[in-house]
Amino acid sequence: GNSVTQMEGPVTLSEEAFLTINCTYTATGYPSLFWYVQYPGEGLQLLLKATKADDKGSNKGFEATYRKETTSFHLEKGSVQVSDSAVYFCALGPNTNAGKSTFGDGTTLTVKP
Amino acid sequence: KAGVTQTPRYLIKTRGQQVTLSCSPISGHRSVSWYQQTPGQGLQFLFEYFSETQRNKGNFPGRFSGRQFSNSRSEMNVSTLELGDSALYLCASSKRPTGQGSKDEQYFGPGTRLTVT
Repeated sequence: GNSVTQMEGPVTLSEEAFLTINCTYTATGYPSLFWYVQYPGEGLQLLLKATKADDKGSNKGFEATYRKETTSFHLEKGSVQVSDSAVYFCALGPNTNAGKSTFGDGTTLTVKP
Repeated sequence: KAGVTQTPRYLIKTRGQQVTLSCSPISGHRSVSWYQQTPGQGLQFLFEYFSETQRNKGNFPGRFSGRQFSNSRSEMNVSTLELGDSALYLCASSKRPTGQGSKDEQYFGPGTRLTVT
């Protein structure tokens, strides 16, 4: 079945450091890929998405490229801020698995000033 | 455009009771999905509704049920609550039904935090 494997956390970085959160997936077909962010006490917010191979999703300085050959969708940001502290979820879109999104376990990021 | 709204935001119930949670999707969105989020199990799919019909269901017992109204608002009901039902329940909406051919992203609400004591 479909699955998503995310880099284990927690991840602690200093402000302005480079961020990479690894995400790999297993799926049949051609899934859409998403990164969601969850701030404390809140629901999930869509951060970025890519719908086909070699697409690059980007938003708020975050980027991720859909790599079909390595089945990966790693999240990167060149310079993190304290306000980026949150839990990040990689997900396979609902178009591939009978109506449900498949989420990774989440990676907690803490950015220290 | 207003986002997905969920009510109530917080709820405390006792074992054996039942609870109803409500979700209003983004205007124009007709698909509503429900997820349960717990520290141990992560995000798990409960069910999806489109045009007042349940299209997909996750692996949850029959105590978990839902429905969708003609205005696309959805409710989720949990009967005979157990301690293990304590979780954040998230609702997500999208324009079209999820499934093959649709690449629409889902937009999530803030969730309802249910605590069962």
